Amino acid sequence: DTAVSQTPKYLVTQMGNDKSIKCEQNLGHDTMYWYKQDSKKFLKIMFSYNNKELIINETVPNRFSPKSPDKAHLNLHINSLELGDSAVYFCASSPQQHHYGYTFGSGTRLTVV
Amino acid sequence: GENVEQHPSTLSVQEGDSAVIKCTYSDSASNYFPWYKQELGKRPQLIIDIRSNVGEKKDQRIAVTLNKTAKHFSLHITETQPEDSAVYFCAADFTGNQFYFGTGTSLTVIP
Repeated sequence: DTAVSQTPKYLVTQMGNDKSIKCEQNLGHDTMYWYKQDSKKFLKIMFSYNNKELIINETVPNRFSPKSPDKAHLNLHINSLELGDSAVYFCASSPQQHHYGYTFGSGTRLTVV
Repeated sequence: GENVEQHPSTLSVQEGDSAVIKCTYSDSASNYFPWYKQELGKRPQLIIDIRSNVGEKKDQRIAVTLNKTAKHFSLHITETQPEDSAVYFCAADFTGNQFYFGTGTSLTVIP
């Protein structure tokens, strides 16, 4: 029973397309996150979200938008995909904002061609 | 801006030797410092963490030390084994609800 699950695991798409990545956690955690891991393995926070507050990393292009239908889900929608968006995207959750370790999802490898 | 620096970026050790990875952080208000291990093609996984009211924490072959005055913390792995080979990330929480990771250390344990 996967704690944090992401779909799809792999996503190959053409430039200009719009795509979504889904994330669900069954841990009852309060906060969820999206991270981008580039080819150099850097982990960069994109968003953090609980049921009250969305924190957006100011460096994230507004083509990226998180959508949370409920506490257990935080999806990532990307408009007008660009080559530079190719990366591995990790969803994560934690029981309390930034004071406990994250549980990461298995990642989504996005390739824009 | 806020950041976490991590060194070295790559580290090779002989099986059985010790490995040390060091991180420094910029925000003196940081209180929580986790370490993650990421094996090739897999997700980062929490292996140990330390809070600012503790100077050292140990879990079997891994230990973490924290020096709040100097704003640095370190991961120590003793008696390394080939399965310890992975990328290790340190992280620190910051004010303003940001949580930054170090740039990662690729550890190779040579049998």
